[in-house]
Amino acid sequence: DAGVIQSPRHEVTEMGQEVTLRCKPISGHDYLFWYRQTMMRGLELLIYFNNNVPIDDSGMPEDRFSAKMPNASFSTLKIQPSEPRDSAVYFCAVGGLADTQYFGPGTRLTVL
Amino acid sequence: TQLLEQSPQFLSIQEGENLTVYCNSSSVFSSLQWYRQEPGEGPVLLVTVVTGGEVKKLKRLTFQFGDARKDSSLHITAAQPGDTGLYLCAGAKENDMRFGAGTRLTVKP
Repeated sequence: DAGVIQSPRHEVTEMGQEVTLRCKPISGHDYLFWYRQTMMRGLELLIYFNNNVPIDDSGMPEDRFSAKMPNASFSTLKIQPSEPRDSAVYFCAVGGLADTQYFGPGTRLTVL
Repeated sequence: TQLLEQSPQFLSIQEGENLTVYCNSSSVFSSLQWYRQEPGEGPVLLVTVVTGGEVKKLKRLTFQFGDARKDSSLHITAAQPGDTGLYLCAGAKENDMRFGAGTRLTVKP
């Protein structure tokens, strides 16, 4: 098993551009999580899905952020339009809601 | 305000020294996890503690869950450069799990 796969690993874009981050999860887990990590705020939960259905998006900072999980093998996190303060490392993870979580390697986003 | 407060935020020590890092909260957790994150990677689970007062050992790492299940500590004996990384605690209760901001450990050879 290759583990959770995220792409791209690095993304540099200009303010105002649309950014799409992708996640291919490990099979066999009901929950998929999107996190954002910065030095200032640590690891923040943005949204999570249960069996492909969004359950809690209260961590999504604002309407510029959206996430989808069209099937059990794929999820996306989109930012439109992007802003410099969105610069962070974004992680996708799978696992349990109050149980072990398996993280991908992250996407480092830089918005200029 | 973080639900889980980790201290110290940064720690730099020499190889061979011992250290303890802490994870504190005013909330009671059903379980608490410790993760280690290395540069350019995602966090990886080290251990889960469930029972108040529980102590778990993983080679040179000793994890303790507080009696009241509100806090935890991680002690590393004879630290090595390979222990360098960000140590995150995560508290779980009901249908929720939240992470602390982490302790960034550097072990110098």
